[in-house]
Amino acid sequence: GQNIDQPTEMTATEGAIVQINCTYQTSGFNGLFWYQQHAGEAPTFLSYNVLDGLEEKGRFSSFLSRSKGYSYLLLKELQMKDSASYLCAVRDAEDTGRRALTFGSGTRLQVQP
Amino acid sequence: DTGVSQNPRHKITKRGQNVTFRCDPISEHNRLYWYRQTLGQGPEFLTYFQNEAQLEKSRLLSDRFSAERPKGSFSTLEIQRTEQGDSAMYLCASSRDRGTYEQYFGPGTRLTVT
Repeated sequence: GQNIDQPTEMTATEGAIVQINCTYQTSGFNGLFWYQQHAGEAPTFLSYNVLDGLEEKGRFSSFLSRSKGYSYLLLKELQMKDSASYLCAVRDAEDTGRRALTFGSGTRLQVQP
Repeated sequence: DTGVSQNPRHKITKRGQNVTFRCDPISEHNRLYWYRQTLGQGPEFLTYFQNEAQLEKSRLLSDRFSAERPKGSFSTLEIQRTEQGDSAMYLCASSRDRGTYEQYFGPGTRLTVT
């Protein structure tokens, strides 16, 4: 099974940088996803890491360390519209046959002026 | 719009009634997933289809829940004899069966059981 931990809430200032951490304990691993979810809306895909290291995509970057069971999402040049919940999700190893994602509870980010 | 669509967007029902939700995935995606999300929590997996075959079901999916994907395209999720604890957002997602397998979510159906 999977156990995923991420902070419940974070606050940051417009224009700043924020790092949202995610730790996981898994019986198998085949990729970690970050999703953004605005209140009342569906989650939207942000990033995917399966190998160790940093993946950069515009203002958003995601890092993975498989040996530490750790990932973070880095948001730069924060904008008010970045206020949302950020969900960390892990996919099981292929040989488990499981194809669903296991999600953390999400980190609610509030960006202040 | 070629994204995932779900109907209805909102459903209010009385305890004990049956409800059915529909999901239309992205057309070239042959994997389809149902999740349930309650306030302040991440989505919880319910069931998964590869084309028309239901390959995985969560322990959360009690006997009152049934899902189908008869032609490998749209899917329905039915809840029989609804209970107040069934109140949640029901999310559908779809993905390819290769590459990064990223899942694209629909807008969800918000169920309120009174």
